[in-house]
Amino acid sequence: EAQVTQNPRYLITVTGKKLTVTCSQNMNHEYMSWYRQDPGLGLRQIYYSMNVEVTDKGDVPEGYKVSRKEKRNFPLILESPSPNQTSLYFCASSSWASGKETQYFGPGTRLLVL
Amino acid sequence: RKEVEQDPGPFNVPEGATVAFNCTYSNSASQSFFWYRQDCRKEPKLLMSVYSSGNEDGRFTAQLNRASQYISLLIRDSKLSDSATYLCVVNMNSGAGSYQLTFGKGTKLSVIP
Repeated sequence: EAQVTQNPRYLITVTGKKLTVTCSQNMNHEYMSWYRQDPGLGLRQIYYSMNVEVTDKGDVPEGYKVSRKEKRNFPLILESPSPNQTSLYFCASSSWASGKETQYFGPGTRLLVL
Repeated sequence: RKEVEQDPGPFNVPEGATVAFNCTYSNSASQSFFWYRQDCRKEPKLLMSVYSSGNEDGRFTAQLNRASQYISLLIRDSKLSDSATYLCVVNMNSGAGSYQLTFGKGTKLSVIP
């Protein structure tokens, strides 16, 4: 089954305590990305990766880091979380084949930073 | 400035009704367009891609007007299960792959019995 998994699904933490949200896909997709979703602001792209060791900033990268050491994994790292990073985070992976694009989102991670 | 704007909604329609959502985008260089569906507290799911003059999938029809930078989604014979938030999404980059998707804020649809 085509799948994007994220862990943890829910996380409560305190300001300044480093955390990592993992993302893994089993579809051998080259492209992966991270989004955050906030009320009234919609989904905004944080970072994306076009392949292993290739990453680039999206619209709201400040306060986040990513890495792409393997094709299937794309972790999101918050070195020093702050309350304004409280949000719903989605990882996604996509492919382009035969002129058609498919994109799958993970189930989301709800983060609360106190 | 990248921007995708949608009808604010919410749309409350009776079962069986036809409903249309509109979306405009600001970047004329945008290359590909999508409609996503998002249920409450769930992940977005791709509903339809809109690559050229539009396409149809069952009760759903998507149209693209590049000259006006306008995309639409038409849902015919609405079902209760169509209740969700519909997101207009634009890919600002050309070529293969979705590198920089810009999402609209979504339009909420409630189909009422």
